[in-house]
Amino acid sequence: SQTIHQWPATLVQPVGSPLSLECTVEGTSNPNLYWYRQAAGRGLQLLFYSVGIGQISSEVPQNLSASRPQDRQFILSSKKLLLSDSGFYLCAWTAGGSYNEQFFGPGTRLTVL
Amino acid sequence: AQSVTQLGSHVSVSEGALVLLRCNYSSSVPPYLFWYVQYPNQGLQLLLKYTSAATLVKGINGFEAEFKKSETSFHLTKPSAHMSDAAEYFCAVSAPTGRRALTFGSGTRLQVQP
Repeated sequence: SQTIHQWPATLVQPVGSPLSLECTVEGTSNPNLYWYRQAAGRGLQLLFYSVGIGQISSEVPQNLSASRPQDRQFILSSKKLLLSDSGFYLCAWTAGGSYNEQFFGPGTRLTVL
Repeated sequence: AQSVTQLGSHVSVSEGALVLLRCNYSSSVPPYLFWYVQYPNQGLQLLLKYTSAATLVKGINGFEAEFKKSETSFHLTKPSAHMSDAAEYFCAVSAPTGRRALTFGSGTRLQVQP
């Protein structure tokens, strides 16, 4: 069966510090991968998606970047965090040929102080 | 372009009462529709999905939803609420082709009163 992992689970970082969040998927190959952000009391905002290694599409201009160095690994990064980067970050995957249903990881709670 | 509107950011019901969470969508092509549930500080779990087969879709935990094209709606229902149903619920839409990403509604927080 497929599983998706995210780490760390929680993170508290000062403004201006770098960020690296990691997401890995097991039990599938060539998935589409997604990063979402969920701000307090709001819905999910799609940040990035990837259809393959090295292929990243950015949905919203922002202080963040994403990379996909391996088929089942998706990394969210920032060089300098802003207060507005605080939120709950969710990684998701969908299988090729599926009905686009997405499967979500457990999330990372990021607090920027 | 696609969009989802969830009416009511908060819904409160009594235990044993009917649960009705509303979702209306907009899509230029026949959509795929989904309901997800999120418990505090957790990821989203798929409740059910509509993929152009039966218009009445049954999901996990006793939930079901009916696709009504004429009303562009996909409301989520459960006949009898349990305390464990308290969570946030998200409706989402996607197109069968293209980037395959989901567009989510803003969510509805369900409270179940004893």
